[in-house]
Amino acid sequence: SQQGEEDPQALSIQEGENATMNCSYKTSINNLQWYRQNSGRGLVHLILIRSNEREKHSGRLRVTLDTSKKSSSLLITASRAADTASYFCATDDASGTYKYIFGTGTRLKVLA
Amino acid sequence: GAVVSQHPSWVICKSGTSVKIECRSLDFQATTMFWYRQFPKQSLMLMATSNEGSKATYEQGVEKDKFLINHASLTLSTLTVTSAHPEDSSFYICSASLGWSSYNSPLHFGNGTRLTVT
Repeated sequence: SQQGEEDPQALSIQEGENATMNCSYKTSINNLQWYRQNSGRGLVHLILIRSNEREKHSGRLRVTLDTSKKSSSLLITASRAADTASYFCATDDASGTYKYIFGTGTRLKVLA
Repeated sequence: GAVVSQHPSWVICKSGTSVKIECRSLDFQATTMFWYRQFPKQSLMLMATSNEGSKATYEQGVEKDKFLINHASLTLSTLTVTSAHPEDSSFYICSASLGWSSYNSPLHFGNGTRLTVT
């Protein structure tokens, strides 16, 4: 079964607005990562947050991690049409292997 | 850096034939590569872990004889879909890791292969 569940499944916003996506997972982790996938393409790594970190920023991206609630959120500020994509969280199984399990994904559509 | 090339990007084949998909790490050596399958508007499902010089580790429910994985070098892993059937039609994606531990490093993905079996 999939490790991560994401919410919402789909999100449609206007350009310039902020987009927030949430991810919940089930077991202990070493880190949690967020990836972006444009339609029909592979995944692009956005940000990695370790289990001992609570917040991380990268450009217009802000990721939070709450290990007590086993949840993470990805905030994209000042969204652009080019941000239109599917966003996935991925968690490892805390064993140090790369056996990541991906969440169900959020399909973000940014309207110009 | 850390570029993964996947080929072909799309392929159409007839039922009963076999299709080989290549995954290459272009500027780094990948001791471990992963193969995923993705259905439309769904998440990635891990099929198998490919280790250089050893047998692949398949996830539960994935047929080893149908999805043959070979990781003959540190820069190349191949997935062969044998005796393909229409239900094998899907988007297949590979990824590669830079090191042994996931603690600090992300995965690097190919652009995927769209397989259509007629």
